[in-house]
Amino acid sequence: LAKTTQPISMDSYEGQEVNITCSHNNIATNDYITWYQQFPSQGPRFIIQGYKTKVTNEVASLFIPADRKSSTLSLPRVSLSDTAVYYCPKGSGAGSYQLTFGKGTKLSVIP
Amino acid sequence: DGGITQSPKYLFRKEGQNVTLSCEQNLNHDAMYWYRQDPGQGLRLIYYSQIVNDFQKGDIAEGYSVSREKKESFPLTVTSAQKNPTAFYLCASSMEQGQSEKLFFGSGTQLSVL
Repeated sequence: LAKTTQPISMDSYEGQEVNITCSHNNIATNDYITWYQQFPSQGPRFIIQGYKTKVTNEVASLFIPADRKSSTLSLPRVSLSDTAVYYCPKGSGAGSYQLTFGKGTKLSVIP
Repeated sequence: DGGITQSPKYLFRKEGQNVTLSCEQNLNHDAMYWYRQDPGQGLRLIYYSQIVNDFQKGDIAEGYSVSREKKESFPLTVTSAQKNPTAFYLCASSMEQGQSEKLFFGSGTQLSVL
């Protein structure tokens, strides 16, 4: 299965806004775009989900262009506790639901 | 508190031994999943179940078996046929199958071979 594409790693200083982009070239019409956060030795945690345009919650914003071939996760004013791996898994399209997780983006927040 | 409980946190397997990882959820979710994660890698789907008494193979089912006798429970057995079982195993659940589903994960089981 083709996966989504995202940078392997990113560094940021505390207090900065971080934008992580994911490429969804093969996204199915029915698929939503979902982002997860994972800390070491823990299971991933849902962050945010959207279908198109912009979604914002208390943790992050998600920007999805009209063609839906990419998405950008925006973390405002990151802190050291935001150091984690961030995933944008690929859905399976219609029918049964199987997510394909790539290696994710390892975000390191620097003091 | 509602959630997914995986046990044990750490598990050791001897050569030729089968071991079973436990996964219990009290979220009343229909679907449950097992993923395997190797160091520095993404998650790979082993098995998933949409409903009680039914389950399907994922991408790497060889050497593993599951059962879904109760809605709350989805145990994973790592058999002796799995030659490289050392990995971090994650169980997840979701309300129902669908494209907008959000997965809820447990805290994982680290399996190592003695």
